[in-house]
Amino acid sequence: KAGVTQTPRYLIKTRGQQVTLSCSPISGHRSVSWYQQTPGQGLQFLFEYFSETQRNKGNFPGRFSGRQFSNSRSEMNVSTLELGDSALYLCASSLDPSGGLVVQFFGPGTRLTVL
Amino acid sequence: DAKTTQPPSMDCAEGRAANLPCNHSTISGNEYVYWYRQIHSQGPQYIIHGLKNNETNEMASLIITEDRKSSTLILPHATLRDTAVYYCIVRVPNAGGTSYGKLTFGQGTILTVHP
Repeated sequence: KAGVTQTPRYLIKTRGQQVTLSCSPISGHRSVSWYQQTPGQGLQFLFEYFSETQRNKGNFPGRFSGRQFSNSRSEMNVSTLELGDSALYLCASSLDPSGGLVVQFFGPGTRLTVL
Repeated sequence: DAKTTQPPSMDCAEGRAANLPCNHSTISGNEYVYWYRQIHSQGPQYIIHGLKNNETNEMASLIITEDRKSSTLILPHATLRDTAVYYCIVRVPNAGGTSYGKLTFGQGTILTVHP
């Protein structure tokens, strides 16, 4: 099976712009989670989607949003970019958690640099 | 989710076993121990998980003490490619609510394998 894929892998934006990142989960996986990783804060949970619905959300401002499509692919959007949004954004997928043990499989990440 | 404590760094000689400890003294009866690792700037990689019995797969072995208050991840023959940050995470596998799709990562242990 192909793993979790994320596009683009690298992105450079300027302050005030917006950005959309894409994630394709492992085939058959219905849950998609997003994380932000920075040197100062480590890995932090952004949100999780299942069946096109956001089920859980971390402690991030409303500038961070996401969505999931019927094929389980997911996108996250950051509006009005700030310098502090520079980070590695990671997507992870898993089978429906209610169906058994939760093991998340991560993509390679998108490295976002805000200038 | 129960809190985990890991040493910030460890060294290991190539070819020797790497034993990474994790303390989770407040673990509850239905919480599993998960191990992930992250090689520099890549997405975290799932290694192994367990409840109370020792577990082994092609990557590693997981030894959980009888009282479940601590565990050890064992890489039997460490190679240079095992140099990474190793995360120990404790959680209920199919927890819902504010736990949906969320793994809580601590600072982990930086394992450096030397030639």
